[in-house]
Amino acid sequence: NAGVTQTPKFQVLKTGQSMTLQCAQDMNHEYMSWYRQDPGMGLRLIHYSVGAGITDQGEVPNGYNVSRSTTEDFPLRLLSAAPSQTSVYFCASAPPGVMIADTQYFGPGTRLTVL
Amino acid sequence: AQTVTQSQPEMSVQEAETVTLSCTYDTSESNYYLFWYKQPPSRQMILVIRQEAYKQQNATENRFSVNFQKAAKSFSLKISDSQLGDTAMYFCALIVTNAGKSTFGDGTTLTVKP
Repeated sequence: NAGVTQTPKFQVLKTGQSMTLQCAQDMNHEYMSWYRQDPGMGLRLIHYSVGAGITDQGEVPNGYNVSRSTTEDFPLRLLSAAPSQTSVYFCASAPPGVMIADTQYFGPGTRLTVL
Repeated sequence: AQTVTQSQPEMSVQEAETVTLSCTYDTSESNYYLFWYKQPPSRQMILVIRQEAYKQQNATENRFSVNFQKAAKSFSLKISDSQLGDTAMYFCALIVTNAGKSTFGDGTTLTVKP
């Protein structure tokens, strides 16, 4: 199993550009999520999904869109990049069970810089 | 809304000694999970230990154990026989089981000194 994979590892954008961060998992997890981690801080939830076709907002959703057309993939789209979106982005997935989400397994992260 | 607070931004410990990292949380839900994650300089998030809120018994994983005080909403992590490889940032996290929204603390940077 590759686990949770994220591409790209690094990205530099100019203000106003758009892009998609890719996330995929091969563990058949229903739950997937996106976080951002700013320097010296913890992870803040951007969006999450409890299954294909179902997404919901987290703590900091503004400026980001997600979709979940398959169980495996959960891309994060930056609509019009701003310097405030400079951060490290983590994708995670969690196995199904009697609850919506249990232990989350994280991808390696994408370091995004917006100039 | 749920919150997670880690009141110790930085801590250090001598190799082979024991250290305790603090975490307090707040939620109005009764069913939730608590986690400690480790983030070494590689940036990878690694699960250290997990606690189910409905279980009174404290979780243990080798040198790592927790002190879970549900009434006080406290969830501390004890690391015994600290090793140099334990040097990392440690995050406390809460997830409500019927909602899917997780919340992380701001982390504690732990340095293990030789």
